[in-house]
Amino acid sequence: SSELTQDPAVSVALGQTVRITCRGDSFRSYYASWYQQKPGQAPVLVMYGENHRPSGIPDRFSGSSSRNTSSLTITGAQAEDEADYYCQSRDSSGYRMFGGGTKLTVL
Amino acid sequence: QVQLQQWGAGLWKPSETLSLSCTVSGTSFSGYHWNWIRQPPGKGLEWIGEVNHSGGTNYNPSLKSRVTISLDSSKNEFSLRLSSVTAADTGVFYCARGVVGASWIYYLDYWGQGTPVTVSS
Repeated sequence: SSELTQDPAVSVALGQTVRITCRGDSFRSYYASWYQQKPGQAPVLVMYGENHRPSGIPDRFSGSSSRNTSSLTITGAQAEDEADYYCQSRDSSGYRMFGGGTKLTVL
Repeated sequence: QVQLQQWGAGLWKPSETLSLSCTVSGTSFSGYHWNWIRQPPGKGLEWIGEVNHSGGTNYNPSLKSRVTISLDSSKNEFSLRLSSVTAADTGVFYCARGVVGASWIYYLDYWGQGTPVTVSS
């Protein structure tokens, strides 16, 4: 199916590790890309492919993928990581869908 | 550095054809896909569609009947037209550059600043 499912909200204590997941059949064939969006700002690419971070993204961000799940992990979450996170992938027809987004709260 | 600068009107009436443009600098069009994404107020991102450097297009099936994305390399810009708009089309519209790393890898690495759009009579 052409859907990506994310948990609406996740929380993490400052300095702890959090995993944000994205579930969908597309991951059998395609990798996800991940975007961080803070209020009032455009999204920013934080992860793509198997585990590739764009220049300027801290190495506390990492990615992984299994049969039908893609994950973004933040190891040692910081206050500035509080944001909405979106995954994106595609289906076999070329439709590039986004997940519904996960609101990350850093406690 | 790569920059995407969006421009276009922010207020449209129902049934009109919304038109937005994105001027690109610091990169060529060749080898990339050029995307439009929107975000209704308080909601998530929705992919609208893309155009490649050759003018080939790919649209969200739910919007395909109303969307046209085109590219004018002579002006370094690509554009979005969305016909028969309603209040449900209200939101922030973004343009973005798409990179095809391989057939199974795709990502949006540069984004425009966003254009708030309101559809109201």
